[in-house]
Amino acid sequence: DGGITQSPKYLFRKEGQNVTLSCEQNLNHDAMYWYRQDPGQGLRLIYYSQIVNDFQKGDIAEGYSVSREKKESFPLTVTSAQKNPTAFYLCASSIRLTRGGNQPQHFGDGTRLSIL
Amino acid sequence: GQQVMQIPQYQHVQEGEDFTTYCNSSTTLSNIQWYKQRPGGHPVFLIQLVKSGEVKKQKRLTFQFGEAKKNSSLHITATQTTDVGTYFCAGWRYTGNQFYFGTGTSLTVIP
Repeated sequence: DGGITQSPKYLFRKEGQNVTLSCEQNLNHDAMYWYRQDPGQGLRLIYYSQIVNDFQKGDIAEGYSVSREKKESFPLTVTSAQKNPTAFYLCASSIRLTRGGNQPQHFGDGTRLSIL
Repeated sequence: GQQVMQIPQYQHVQEGEDFTTYCNSSTTLSNIQWYKQRPGGHPVFLIQLVKSGEVKKQKRLTFQFGEAKKNSSLHITATQTTDVGTYFCAGWRYTGNQFYFGTGTSLTVIP
């Protein structure tokens, strides 16, 4: 079955450490996204990528970094510069963005990150 | 600040009652999407509206896109317990090429 796989489901980090969240898709989608979800605040866009080796910052990119070396993979690194990293992180993918805007997104099951 | 607001934030209804959530953007959107997230789950795409004034129906769900393409609504007729979850709108803003999710409306259906 095609889909998006995020791992791990739960992640714990010590203060001052960087941590990388994995996102893999086998839907052959060009575009991939990372969102952060906090209670009562909906989803906020961290980064998105429309094509391999290209990505753009979303609303809350500070303290995060991404790479897009392969079409199938879009890992997110939460750096020690992110002061409040505890949240639920969701990865999504879609077919290529068009001039008309966004396309329907397919989401992974998410990774819940907590600070020890 | 938040670009796309939804009201209400929470809604409790008796099973069988109707439910509506409203989505309002500060700027014109190229299209609007609606997603449903069940408790403990991930958002699942429901529908996309593109044209000004567009109305689409999916069984008991009716979706509208405003004439000015700045607002949208989702109406559920005769809610069922399976409708429980958080409903999000999402849209692409023409200026700045940015994509925003709404703040979400959490629906609880009391049997």
